[in-house]
Amino acid sequence: EVQLVESGGGLVQPGGSLRLSCAASGFTVSSNYMSWVRQAPGKGLEWVSVIYSGGSTYYADSVKGRFTISRDNSKNTLYLQMNSLRAEDTAVYYCAREVVATIKGSYYFDYWGQGTLVTVSS
Amino acid sequence: SSELTQDPAVSVALGQTVRITCQGDSLRSYYASWYQQKPGQAPVLVIYGKNNRPSGIPDRFSGSSSGNTASLTITGAQAEDEADYYCNSRDSSGNHLRFGGGTKLTVL
Repeated sequence: EVQLVESGGGLVQPGGSLRLSCAASGFTVSSNYMSWVRQAPGKGLEWVSVIYSGGSTYYADSVKGRFTISRDNSKNTLYLQMNSLRAEDTAVYYCAREVVATIKGSYYFDYWGQGTLVTVSS
Repeated sequence: SSELTQDPAVSVALGQTVRITCQGDSLRSYYASWYQQKPGQAPVLVIYGKNNRPSGIPDRFSGSSSGNTASLTITGAQAEDEADYYCNSRDSSGNHLRFGGGTKLTVL
C-alpha cells in the first residue's frame, strides 16, 4: 500500500528555517517525480517544488532561492528545506507523487500525504 | 499566460449535471488533471489524462478538453460531491506545475 507521511511542521519566526520530511512506503521515491504542494489557510493549492527521478529540481518563483527539495534514497524520504521564511509561507504542506503517463502531455498526482502545517509568525 | 483560470463557485441541484471548467494556454499542450478536496482533507485525484478515472472514483465524473479549456463534468451530482475542485497541469516550460484557483461546488 502506498503511503506518504509528512512531518516537521510547526511554528517558526519570520526569517527562520524549517525542514519538512515526507516518508514514503509502498514505492521508491527516487524512481518517481515527487512534489511539494502547499495550501495557505482558506486558500487554494499552490505547487512549490518538484524533484525528478533523475535528480533535477524546479521551484515556484515564490520560493526559489529560499527552499530546497531533496531526497534520501536510503530512507525513502523526501525533504523540503525552507529558509528565510515569511508570513506568506504559512500553509499546510503536502507531498505528492506525480505520475508521468505514457500518453504524451499527461501528468497527475496519484498519491498525497495528509499534510503538515507550517506557521510563520512572531 | 501560464495561469489556469477556474470559476470560483458553481452550484448544482441534486441529481443534475454540472460542468466545471479550467482555462489556460498550457492546456493546448498538456492534459489537465482534476482533484476533489473536502474540508480538512488532502486532495483526491478524480480525473486525469484524456478522460480517465482512478479506481474508486464514480463514473458520474468525466473529463474533456478542447483548445485551451479543460472540463470536469459531474452527471447526476450527489450531496457527497460538494467540495472544492482544482485543475492542474504543467506550464508551457514543462517543468513547472500550476493549479487553478479552485471551484467551490455547492449541491443544492
